[in-house]
Amino acid sequence: AQKVTQAQTEISVVEKEDVTLDCVYETRDTTYYLFWYKQPPSGELVFLIRRNSFDEQNEISGRYSWNFQKSTSSFNFTITASQVVDSAVYFCALSVAYSGAGSYQLTFGKGTKLSVIP
Amino acid sequence: DAGVTQSPTHLIKTRGQQVTLRCSPKSGHDTVSWYQQALGQGPQFIFQYYEEEERQRGNFPDRFSGHQFPNYSSELNVNALLLGDSALYLCASSLDVLAGASGGEQFFGPGTRLTVL
Repeated sequence: AQKVTQAQTEISVVEKEDVTLDCVYETRDTTYYLFWYKQPPSGELVFLIRRNSFDEQNEISGRYSWNFQKSTSSFNFTITASQVVDSAVYFCALSVAYSGAGSYQLTFGKGTKLSVIP
Repeated sequence: DAGVTQSPTHLIKTRGQQVTLRCSPKSGHDTVSWYQQALGQGPQFIFQYYEEEERQRGNFPDRFSGHQFPNYSSELNVNALLLGDSALYLCASSLDVLAGASGGEQFFGPGTRLTVL
């Protein structure tokens, strides 16, 4: 069985501060995928990144960066110079490789609510 | 390009009733997944449809059933509603994972908020 733990329930930062959202996952599969999604108050989940288990390279996209460490089963997400528009609930998710037709079955963490204060 | 759409936006039902939620996938997508998100929780996978067949199913009872139509749109049906079924129901569409680099990336709709009284 797969499990994703986001220990931080809520985080508040002042605008322009950096913030890191933690994600720890559990799986016995050697091939898997990790995801981050953003959920603004409107409710629609917005895809941010997908990483496969064989690619441990860190990734940077603008103010967003992700640190994947298999040794600690972690996939942390950092927002640099946070902005009010970053306020949302952020979910980390895991899927094992699926050999059939169709798509991934995502296992989500409980999410971290980020509030950026002006 | 229209994204994933869901209807209705909100729904109020009473215990024991039945409900049908609808989802239209993003243009060009052939796979539809359904998730249930209780208040303050992460989404939980219900099931997934591809080529009009249920391909994967999460840990949900048979009261939850679905259908996919030839145009790839999908319905989620819940029978004998319980108070605990109150949640945001999210639909996600994607291309088949075998479709290449973009396969499997799931685009979510805005959800249907179901309240069971």
